[in-house]
Amino acid sequence: EAQVTQNPRYLITVTGKKLTVTCSQNMNHEYMSWYRQDPGLGLRQIYYSMNVEVTDKGDVPEGYKVSRKEKRNFPLILESPSPNQTSLYFCASSLGTGEETQYFGPGTRLLVL
Amino acid sequence: AQKITQTQPGMFVQEKEAVTLDCTYDTSDQSYGLFWYKQPSSGEMIFLIYQGSYDEQNATEGRYSLNFQKARKSANLVISASQLGDSAMYFCAMSAKDGANNLFFGTGTRLTVIP
Repeated sequence: EAQVTQNPRYLITVTGKKLTVTCSQNMNHEYMSWYRQDPGLGLRQIYYSMNVEVTDKGDVPEGYKVSRKEKRNFPLILESPSPNQTSLYFCASSLGTGEETQYFGPGTRLLVL
Repeated sequence: AQKITQTQPGMFVQEKEAVTLDCTYDTSDQSYGLFWYKQPSSGEMIFLIYQGSYDEQNATEGRYSLNFQKARKSANLVISASQLGDSAMYFCAMSAKDGANNLFFGTGTRLTVIP
């Protein structure tokens, strides 16, 4: 089944404790991205990657890191999480970098205490 | 800069009736894509429908259709024959022609289908 997977789905952590949210897609998509969703703000892009080893900042990159060492994986790293990073996070992928439909993972709910 | 506006925070519709969810956009690009996504209470984002800016015909996918009016910069979603399972948040989004396929989202409309 074609899908985007994220792990963990739910995470409670404390301020400053480094964490990684994994994202993997099995569709051989070139493009992958991370979004965060907050009430009243819709979804905002954090980082994106157009191909292996090619990543760039989205609209809200502060406090986050990403890497794209393999085509299928695009982990999101919070080096020192803070309470304002409490949010619902989505990974998405698309075939290319034109006006391609992006397919989303199931989401990761993060609570930073 | 791209901007998506959804002016209806919440909408109600009777089961089996049709409903239109509004979306207007602003962009200086000539080529762009418009999308609608559904987010049920379980949280996942489900792709519904896509319209390209050069597509002359309105997109349709089953009970979903996109009423695209380019001159007015609107891309309204029409759901026909509403079902209880259609109750969800609906997001309009636009992709920029910037080589990065970045999606810009509106703030969403919560649709409630009444039995």
